[in-house]
Amino acid sequence: EAGVTQFPSHSVIEKGQTVTLRCDPISGHDNLYWYRRVMGKEIKFLLHFVKESKQDESGMPNNRFLAERTGGTYSTLKVQPAELEDSGVYFCASSPGRDNEQFFGPGTRLTVL
Amino acid sequence: RKEVEQDPGPFNVPEGATVAFNCTYSNSASQSFFWYRQDCRKEPKLLMSVYSSGNEDGRFTAQLNRASQYISLLIRDSKLSDSATYLCVALKVGGSTLGRLYFGRGTQLTVWP
Repeated sequence: EAGVTQFPSHSVIEKGQTVTLRCDPISGHDNLYWYRRVMGKEIKFLLHFVKESKQDESGMPNNRFLAERTGGTYSTLKVQPAELEDSGVYFCASSPGRDNEQFFGPGTRLTVL
Repeated sequence: RKEVEQDPGPFNVPEGATVAFNCTYSNSASQSFFWYRQDCRKEPKLLMSVYSSGNEDGRFTAQLNRASQYISLLIRDSKLSDSATYLCVALKVGGSTLGRLYFGRGTQLTVWP
């Protein structure tokens, strides 16, 4: 069974540009989560989808971040415009239910110059 | 105050040593707890769940003390392959934030030959 996949693995952009990260969860997992690790800090929750609906987006830093999960399959996380402090590793995770084990993707390492 | 606090280490131990990691959590609401392992530049992977009754899996033993809001992980007979960062993780049970994982900063372990 394929695991959670994320694209791209790395992205280097300049401040003010737009970047879109993609996550493909494990097939059949209704729950999809985005997390972020900024250098020197702990991994922090960004938001949670149940199918195509946003269950909890209270962890989103500001309105420059937009997440979608059209059709309840893959998800995208867009950062527009990117700022220096957005640099970090963005992880996606999926699970069958909200209290099941979350399986993480390999992450997207975003660098904003 | 952070939800989960961990000593970041690093811990440097010889092969065969026994090493213990601890973490504390701040929210006394009913929660589930886990230890995740993260290898360098990889995604976090579930190592084991933590229960008040204790949980043992081979050389690894995890323990939860709800009275003191304290979680531990004991690794016996350390192997070189145990070198990684160990993340203490809490999952709130119930409420609108059900499903969100709260991570500690991680404790870095290096096992040397």
